[in-house]
Amino acid sequence: DAGITQSPRHKVTETGTPVTLRCHQTENHRYMYWYRQDPGHGLRLIHYSYGVKDTDKGEVSDGYSVSRSKTEDFLLTLESATSSQTSVYFCAIRGGAGNTIYFGEGSWLTVV
Amino acid sequence: AQSVTQLDSQVPVFEEAPVELRCNYSSSVSVYLFWYVQYPNQGLQLLLKYLSGSTLVKGINGFEAEFNKSQTSFHLRKPSVHISDTAEYFCAVSAVNQGGSEKLVFGKGTKLTVNP
Repeated sequence: DAGITQSPRHKVTETGTPVTLRCHQTENHRYMYWYRQDPGHGLRLIHYSYGVKDTDKGEVSDGYSVSRSKTEDFLLTLESATSSQTSVYFCAIRGGAGNTIYFGEGSWLTVV
Repeated sequence: AQSVTQLDSQVPVFEEAPVELRCNYSSSVSVYLFWYVQYPNQGLQLLLKYLSGSTLVKGINGFEAEFNKSQTSFHLRKPSVHISDTAEYFCAVSAVNQGGSEKLVFGKGTKLTVNP
């Protein structure tokens, strides 16, 4: 258990509405990540953070923004949700040897 | 940049049979290698990892993987599978000594189905 909590776990929202997913960690890890998982694509990195207020883009960052005002919280925001953003979103932290990534339980987002 | 190819998208096997899930990677630098397992409607769980040293790595649930540098492979094996091993398995690679881990790249996954 890497001490990661994602909320909400399930959400249905309408196209064009803003959505924020929250990732909370309890073990003071410096690096945090947001991935999305889609059939046939595996996991793709959206954004990551390497410290408070320090974030950078991943390979599929368009349409997403992030914020990290506290070590323990990493927020992912969809400013105006689209159907292509229907996906499962995983938060992750880096800990231990070898840049090992540990994942949260996921947030299922459906945009209708 | 690194890339990962999981050669089989689906692998059906019978219970108690051996299984091998294949993973090949591409990288111009030294790498760390990982296998993750995902059970239905759950997050990804680390199965095992290769960082350095012995090329045969043992993980949880009786799985093991062998790092083959010359063939750039990191195949996952189990000598006798159980129904409970039914899941999706992901191979991943990251470059050694890269900060940020943004270089952790995943394959597209292999769905293992164990039939009675």
